[in-house]
Amino acid sequence: EVQLLESGGGLVQPGGSLRLSCAASGFTFSSYAMSWVRQAPGKGLEWVSSVSGSGDTTYYADSVKGRFTISRDNSKKTLYVQMNSLRAEDTAVYYCAKSSGATCYSVVDTWGQGTLVTVYS
Amino acid sequence: DIVMTQSPDSLAVSLGEVATINCKSSQSVLYSSDNKNYLAWYQQKAGQSPKLLIYWASTRESGVPDRFSGSGSGTDFTLTISSLQAEDVAVYYCQQYYSIPFTFGPGTKVDIK
Repeated sequence: EVQLLESGGGLVQPGGSLRLSCAASGFTFSSYAMSWVRQAPGKGLEWVSSVSGSGDTTYYADSVKGRFTISRDNSKKTLYVQMNSLRAEDTAVYYCAKSSGATCYSVVDTWGQGTLVTVYS
Repeated sequence: DIVMTQSPDSLAVSLGEVATINCKSSQSVLYSSDNKNYLAWYQQKAGQSPKLLIYWASTRESGVPDRFSGSGSGTDFTLTISSLQAEDVAVYYCQQYYSIPFTFGPGTKVDIK
């Protein structure tokens, strides 16, 4: 069974940093692109970033470009996102998501349970 | 960026009746090289993570009941629930994975009338 378990969420002040992790199991991690998608309280879904299965290709939403860095450790079957210069508008549940293929241009077929990031002043 | 719009914002349907949700993209998500529409539908129940229902605009994900179907091509798409069940109460999102950024529609809330 495919499982994605996020961790690392919490409270942080504006300008602060946080690193989220997503531990994957039940599939050949390196064969699939992975993404982070977020959902602000009471709002819709927003794609944040994606990384290819090999880790050599990454993409970012303009809203986080230059502040967030997605990465993966295929030996540890873990996805990360380093979030710097956090803003109030980054407050959201962050979902780790698995794609159906190695390229980022493939549909997200599995979602984690999400981890809440709250940026407060 | 490709802007995704959905209609209606919400709808209430009687049990066993048909629910229809529309999704429109600001530009075509049909990739000519493979003739596939890079369009997916997700269901999100209250307090839960999203769940993939439909990809390539009309391919049902494994395990998804056949009362869910997707149709459309290019810029106009539809999700149809042929016989609404109580467990289908949720918010439904369309998403294009044709070009970066991978944008979602605003969601359509489906309730029981």
